[in-house]
Amino acid sequence: EAQVTQNPRYLITVTGKKLTVTCSQNMNHEYMSWYRQDPGLGLRQIYYSMNVEVTDKGDVPEGYKVSRKEKRNFPLILESPSPNQTSLYFCASSLKGDSPGYGYTFGSGTRLTVV
Amino acid sequence: GNSVTQMEGPVTLSEEAFLTINCTYTATGYPSLFWYVQYPGEGLQLLLKATKADDKGSNKGFEATYRKETTSFHLEKGSVQVSDSAVYFCALRVNNFNKFYFGSGTKLNVKP
Repeated sequence: EAQVTQNPRYLITVTGKKLTVTCSQNMNHEYMSWYRQDPGLGLRQIYYSMNVEVTDKGDVPEGYKVSRKEKRNFPLILESPSPNQTSLYFCASSLKGDSPGYGYTFGSGTRLTVV
Repeated sequence: GNSVTQMEGPVTLSEEAFLTINCTYTATGYPSLFWYVQYPGEGLQLLLKATKADDKGSNKGFEATYRKETTSFHLEKGSVQVSDSAVYFCALRVNNFNKFYFGSGTKLNVKP
């Protein structure tokens, strides 16, 4: 089944303790992206990647890191989490192609709480 | 620049009522337009899309027509069901295809 898999689904952690949220897709998509979803703010892009070893900042990159060493994986790293990073996080992937008509496939989300 | 504006929710309807969720956009290029749906506790799923002017996207009884002259992509359904209760996001993607632009989402509550 074509899908984007995020882990974990739920995570409670303490301020300053490094964590990684994994994202993997099995569709050979070039383009991957991380979003956070907060009430009243909709979806905001954190980072995106056009292909292996190519990453760039989205709208709210502060406090986050990513890497794209393999095409299928795009982990989100919080080196020193803070309570304002408590949010619902989504990974998404898409074909790059020549047409903007390709839609995203989203993961099921990771609900992160930083205390 | 590129942006998407959706009507604010929540929208509360009775079952079998007609639904319209308004979406307008601004884009620097020629965008493709999308509607995504998020059911409670789940990720976003592609509901429908349209890639050029006057195209109509449709799925599960929902429809939206790409109106270039009014820069709109309103979502409609003739008869909503309780199971349609979800958050709906309008989005666009332009030719540099490195980014999607999402609206803020509209929550739909359908009462029996």
